[in-house]
Amino acid sequence: AQRVTQPEKLLSVFKGAPVELKCNYSYSGSPELFWYVQYSRQRLQLLLRHISRESIKGFTADLNKGETSFHLKKPFAQEEDSAMYYCALNRAGGTSYGKLTFGQGTILTVHP
Amino acid sequence: NAGVTQTPKFRVLKTGQSMTLLCAQDMNHEYMYWYRQDPGMGLRLIHYSVGEGTTAKGEVPDGYNVSRLKKQNFLLGLESAAPSQTSVYFCASSYDKSGQETQYFGPGTRLLVL
Repeated sequence: AQRVTQPEKLLSVFKGAPVELKCNYSYSGSPELFWYVQYSRQRLQLLLRHISRESIKGFTADLNKGETSFHLKKPFAQEEDSAMYYCALNRAGGTSYGKLTFGQGTILTVHP
Repeated sequence: NAGVTQTPKFRVLKTGQSMTLLCAQDMNHEYMYWYRQDPGMGLRLIHYSVGEGTTAKGEVPDGYNVSRLKKQNFLLGLESAAPSQTSVYFCASSYDKSGQETQYFGPGTRLLVL
């Protein structure tokens, strides 16, 4: 069975400080990892996916298969980054039908 | 495009009452999903559908039923609501002809069962 763990329920930083949201997963096969974000009063939306290897809103995430991690990082946090962040895993290929396993979520608060 | 819409936005039920949550998408997506979001639990998959006329159980299906009679609609039913079903329910859809499996979420339905 696959599992996604986000060890921090709450994370607070000050504007301009670096931020790292941790995500660890357990899955014996080849995973696809995602970060979804939910801003206040908005719907959940995709932030980035590891296969795209892109930076969105200054955020990056690297899949580390050795450590089974997919931590989300941003060098300089902004107040508008305050949101709930979910790490999610999908089994690559096969018949997963896009089903995602979500972590518990981390609420990021960026203070001015 | 409206994307994914959910009806209603908020509902209060008494224990034992029934209700249906409607999810609609206008992106011609094949797959649709129902999740519940609870504090400290993240999003958990209730049921999903890989196409019109098909449904399957997710991680937490007990107490819920679903139907996908039309490709664009995915209904979630509670036959006899229980306080444990108090939650925020999210519908999502994915998988168009490009093969993109990014999930697009609805705004959510807040359900309170007394």
